[in-house]
Amino acid sequence: NAGVTQTPKFQVLKTGQSMTLQCAQDMNHEYMSWYRQDPGMGLRLIHYSVGAGITDQGEVPNGYNVSRSTTEDFPLRLLSAAPSQTSVYFCASSYRGSAYEQYFGPGTRLTVT
Amino acid sequence: AQSVTQPDIHITVSEGASLELRCNYSYGATPYLFWYVQSPGQGLQLLLKYFSGDTLVQGIKGFEAEFKRSQSSFNLRKPSVHWSDAAEYFCAVGVKGSQGNLIFGKGTKLSVKP
Repeated sequence: NAGVTQTPKFQVLKTGQSMTLQCAQDMNHEYMSWYRQDPGMGLRLIHYSVGAGITDQGEVPNGYNVSRSTTEDFPLRLLSAAPSQTSVYFCASSYRGSAYEQYFGPGTRLTVT
Repeated sequence: AQSVTQPDIHITVSEGASLELRCNYSYGATPYLFWYVQSPGQGLQLLLKYFSGDTLVQGIKGFEAEFKRSQSSFNLRKPSVHWSDAAEYFCAVGVKGSQGNLIFGKGTKLSVKP
């Protein structure tokens, strides 16, 4: 049982490039979320999903896209990277029955130059 | 709007001393309350949670937290800090009906002096 996994661990992008951050969980959790963590800001919700085919926006969705075609995977796409998207990105998942008890992945550190 | 405040950005305590990290929330009803810990370069780990009932909750690693409705607070405590407790601690609120999403405080970094 690997829990929540994220790839890559580190990534450097140039402004305007696109990329996808991968997130997978093997716990059969219905709910999955993406957060970004910036110094002194705590974690802020980007997008979330309550099941395959269902996604919704969080607090800071601009510049990011998500889709959820399977229960296990919830990729986050940066369409045209900007320096303001330099951050650490965390994926989390939870059971519907205990939705607020989230399990976090190890994070992806993204730098946009 | 709901919010979570952690007034202390950085706290330093001596090993073996007691610890209290403060957390205040703004919400019209009693929310679900959580404390997470993040070691350097790691993801977040759930320390403890409060949903209802007994206002003093026990968590992992010897931590406890007390919910005080009158003060809108959920402070984290530990009677004797170990060097391995050095980390960043986040208080979070789960708003009922928000489909599991959490609102986080900005975190308190704990340093432990030998």
